[in-house]
Amino acid sequence: AQSVTQLGSHVSVSEGALVLLRCNYSSSVPPYLFWYVQYPNQGLQLLLKYTTGATLVKGINGFEAEFKKSETSFHLTKPSAHMSDAAEYFCAVRKPNTGRRALTFGSGTRLQVQP
Amino acid sequence: NAGVTQTPKFRVLKTGQSMTLLCAQDMNHEYMYWYRQDPGMGLRLIHYSVGEGTTAKGEVPDGYNVSRLKKQNFLLGLESAAPSQTSVYFCASSYQTADTGELFFGEGSRLTVL
Repeated sequence: AQSVTQLGSHVSVSEGALVLLRCNYSSSVPPYLFWYVQYPNQGLQLLLKYTTGATLVKGINGFEAEFKKSETSFHLTKPSAHMSDAAEYFCAVRKPNTGRRALTFGSGTRLQVQP
Repeated sequence: NAGVTQTPKFRVLKTGQSMTLLCAQDMNHEYMYWYRQDPGMGLRLIHYSVGEGTTAKGEVPDGYNVSRLKKQNFLLGLESAAPSQTSVYFCASSYQTADTGELFFGEGSRLTVL
């Protein structure tokens, strides 16, 4: 079974500072990996995903993440935080090529951006 | 383009009451899912469906039932609500033929059981 660990339930950064949200996964095979963002009182929106190919993936709103197999990590970064980035972020994983395509989610990291 | 629509968005129940949450998607997706979201626990899969007329249990199925009579709809039922079922419920759907991996989510249904 796959699992996801997000280190830090709350992260606070200053506007313009680097954003780093950590995600480590456990999977018996190289998984598909995802980052979703949830703004207050809204559903989840896909930020970016890794399925195959290039390990550095770019997403919306200037976010990117790198799949590091040796470290079983998929950390999310953004060079310069904006006030509008304040939200909750979820890392998710699933095994490829399976009949069941449900994602397994981490517990989430709430990002606060200080002016 | 509506995407995934959930109704109702808010509901308050008393312990022991029953209710049904409706999820409708207009993207012709084969796969549909119900998750619940609780603070500090992320999203946990309740039930899912890989096609019309099929359903399967997820990680936390107890106390819930589902039906997929039409491809575009996925219903989540609570026969006898309990306070532990107070949560935000999310429906999602995804493609079958193209395994892009992505799930498309509704905006959620907030349920409070008193």
